[in-house]
Amino acid sequence: GEEVAQTPKHLVRGEGQKAKLYCAPIKGHSYVFWYQQVLKNEFKFLISFQNENVFDETGMPKERFSAKCLPNSPCSLEIQATKLEDSAVYFCASSADSTGGTEAFFGQGTRLTVV
Amino acid sequence: SQQGEEDPQALSIQEGENATMNCSYKTSINNLQWYRQNSGRGLVHLILIRSNEREKHSGRLRVTLDTSKKSSSLLITASRAADTASYFCAPALYGNKLVFGAGTILRVKS
Repeated sequence: GEEVAQTPKHLVRGEGQKAKLYCAPIKGHSYVFWYQQVLKNEFKFLISFQNENVFDETGMPKERFSAKCLPNSPCSLEIQATKLEDSAVYFCASSADSTGGTEAFFGQGTRLTVV
Repeated sequence: SQQGEEDPQALSIQEGENATMNCSYKTSINNLQWYRQNSGRGLVHLILIRSNEREKHSGRLRVTLDTSKKSSSLLITASRAADTASYFCAPALYGNKLVFGAGTILRVKS
């Protein structure tokens, strides 16, 4: 597609439940990024993929968070046993490559509310 | 800590005036990108400036980059009410990893 598509737009989970977010990058883009925005403040980098391979996972919490980008499927970000502090908007972005002149395009985000 | 730090945190101007936002960062970058976020929505890509460029224009936007001072500025000329939004600078590190600051909230009064 011509835009990064994220689903669902909103997700409400009780503490301890699992949350799974999806992202379809722009067709032809080989890099996918996940960011977390808490309370309209800073964006925290979580993880990036080059095609189906993890490229940089330095921002991923060691526990409870996992992500995948499988061929012919939307990418996913999964949070096991959600906590209140996981409440945030999760943004996915994609770019054509990782060189110095490539824009990253963002989806509309998934707002996760943990209650 | 986050790389990009915007200044000011908030800016309120009249329609037709120019708005200038500044950004500082800490390490070497591949490029620097500016984004706009309208309330509660996704990020809209505004402009990218490469590390070997000093200035770039796009419509009413002008971006400068000074890698020796590790700083960038975004100028919006002849502002409109529709420019009201949060603006983020995002230095891009290796692998196009973007590191955002807290943003500048711009309010343009009509």
